[in-house]
Parts: sequence; structure tokens; C-alpha cells
Amino acid sequence: QKEVEQNSGPLSVPEGAIASLNCTYSDRGSQSFFWYRQYSGKSPELIMFIYSNGDKEDGRFTAQLNKASQYVSLLIRDSQPSDSATYLCAVKGQAGTALIFGKGTTLSVSS
Amino acid sequence: AAGVIQSPRHLIKEKRETATLKCYPIPRHDTVYWYQQGPGQDPQFLISFYEKMQSDKGSIPDRFSAQQFSDYHSELNMSSLELGDSALYFCASSAPDPGGDYGYTFGSGTRLTVV
Repeated sequence: QKEVEQNSGPLSVPEGAIASLNCTYSDRGSQSFFWYRQYSGKSPELIMFIYSNGDKEDGRFTAQLNKASQYVSLLIRDSQPSDSATYLCAVKGQAGTALIFGKGTTLSVSS
Repeated sequence: AAGVIQSPRHLIKEKRETATLKCYPIPRHDTVYWYQQGPGQDPQFLISFYEKMQSDKGSIPDRFSAQQFSDYHSELNMSSLELGDSALYFCASSAPDPGGDYGYTFGSGTRLTVV
């Protein structure tokens, strides 16, 4: 079983809508959670990180973490065509260990 | 701001040849990570170094080796290349995190094509 699971999509939303991306993880000891955006052929770009249960907002992006359910999500408000990309959920366990990525969800925002 | 520098950007090798990929982390970043990303796949962790010592090991084949040098740059050495080694290879670096974990900064990657 993959340690970090994401729906591969594609997730299609119209411009201006809210896009909701979900991720579950298997290691209960995971401590840090990240969302990366990756355009085709480019390197992953960090969007947000979250450590504590609850919501964390940064501009149009909100990350939500529920450690009891081993679930982390990313909401993108007022979606723009430029948000069309693959969104990678990444989880980190104990200090010194590497990020483990999910397979990513492809988001398509239509104008 | 300085970013993670990887070289070369593109590399074409034949089967059974060797390849060396280089990574220069952001200044004062003490940890370097190597990832392999095949077409349509998620980045797979290969190996990491902290203060020039191997800190974590993932799915790195025995044909591959890596090291971090005194100037903190890292090299990934790949021998007996196979067609399946064709992928994007990313290097990432992270800073000391006394107050928390701020994730990695990725380089632009090296696209390796084995023919």
C-alpha cells in the first residue's frame, strides 16, 4: 500500500470555483505535511505546509489537517487557469527522514 | 535569491554507460535529497545527506551511489544504465529547522534519457 494516497484526477473546475484536493497517509507518526504544485516537466514548487490539526490559510490556499483521520487537504479558492497543474501531497515522518510523495492530483481549471 | 542548481539539465546516455549528476544546494542549507521521477509518476526518494553524511536511504538501486562534498554540493553517480533509468532526477535542499520544518526547495532537475 502506498504510504501517501491521492486521487489522480483529473479534477476539473471552472474558473472562480473552489478546488478541493485530498490526501491520506498511512504512517501515524507523520509530523509534517506539505503541498507542492508541479507543472509538466518542471520541478515541484512548495505551496503550503502544515503541522497542527486544523486549518492554515495563505492567500487563496487553505490547508486542512486531521491527524486522527490521517487526512490532509488543500482548498484553492477563486481557481485560475494558471492553477492548472499536478498537486503533490508530501508527508514527513520523524526528523531526519525524507518527504514521501503521493502520486499527485491533476487539476484543470477552465476559463 | 539563490536556488538549488543542478547540472546538466539534459543528459543522453547509452545502456550500460555511466552518468554523474551534480547538485549545488542553497547556501547554508545543510541537507540534500535526491529524487527520481519517471513519466507520470510521483517523485521517488533515493537518498539524502546531512552535513556530508548519508542521513536516509530510499529506493536507490545498488548501481547508483551518491555523496556530499565539503562544499555541500552532492553528486549522484549512476552506473550500468538501463532504459528504465530514464527519468527526471531532482535534487532538493533544506535548511536547519530549529523552529519547524519548512519543506524542501527543489532544483530544476536533470532529464536523463537512456537509449
